[in-house]
Amino acid sequence: NAGVTQTPKFRVLKTGQSMTLLCAQDMNHEYMYWYRQDPGMGLRLIHYSVGEGTTAKGEVPDGYNVSRLKKQNFLLGLESAAPSQTSVYFCASRPREVSYEQYFGPGTRLTVT
Amino acid sequence: AQSVTQLGSHVSVSEGALVLLRCNYSSSVPPYLFWYVQYPNQGLQLLLKYTSAATLVKGINGFEAEFKKSETSFHLTKPSAHMSDAAEYFCAVSPNFGNEKLTFGTGTRLTIIP
Repeated sequence: NAGVTQTPKFRVLKTGQSMTLLCAQDMNHEYMYWYRQDPGMGLRLIHYSVGEGTTAKGEVPDGYNVSRLKKQNFLLGLESAAPSQTSVYFCASRPREVSYEQYFGPGTRLTVT
Repeated sequence: AQSVTQLGSHVSVSEGALVLLRCNYSSSVPPYLFWYVQYPNQGLQLLLKYTSAATLVKGINGFEAEFKKSETSFHLTKPSAHMSDAAEYFCAVSPNFGNEKLTFGTGTRLTIIP
């Protein structure tokens, strides 16, 4: 199993450009998450999904959109990138069972100039 | 609502010395608690978790943590530090039901002194 994979690994955008980050998991997990990690702030939840076709806002959703058309994929979109969105983005997934931990992808480092 | 406080954003210990990373939580319902480790340029990896079974939890790489309800703490320890333990460590909490979301602490960077 590949686990949780993220595409791309690195990206540089200019202010105002758009892009989509792809997260894929092959563990048949129901729940999927997008976080951003900034120095000194830990991980902050952007959006999450508890099943195919469903999404919900997390702690810092502004400026991002998500979609989960297939159970194994969770897409994070930036419609008009801003320098404040420079960060490392992590995707995670988890089974529905309450005691299970989240499994993380390797991250995408995004720089917006 | 829940929250996590990790005391000390940076901790340095000598190789072979005791590692102690502190985590205090706040939760309105019984919690599940997790410690994750992040090596440079990698994602997070689970070290151990508490899910209301034994209060002393053993994890990978010789780490363990004890859930103390009276102190609302879940400190991470390792008797003897190795150079390979240098990483960032995150404590996280979720309620034990309806727990779609984890709340993470801000992390503790562990440096090992040769």
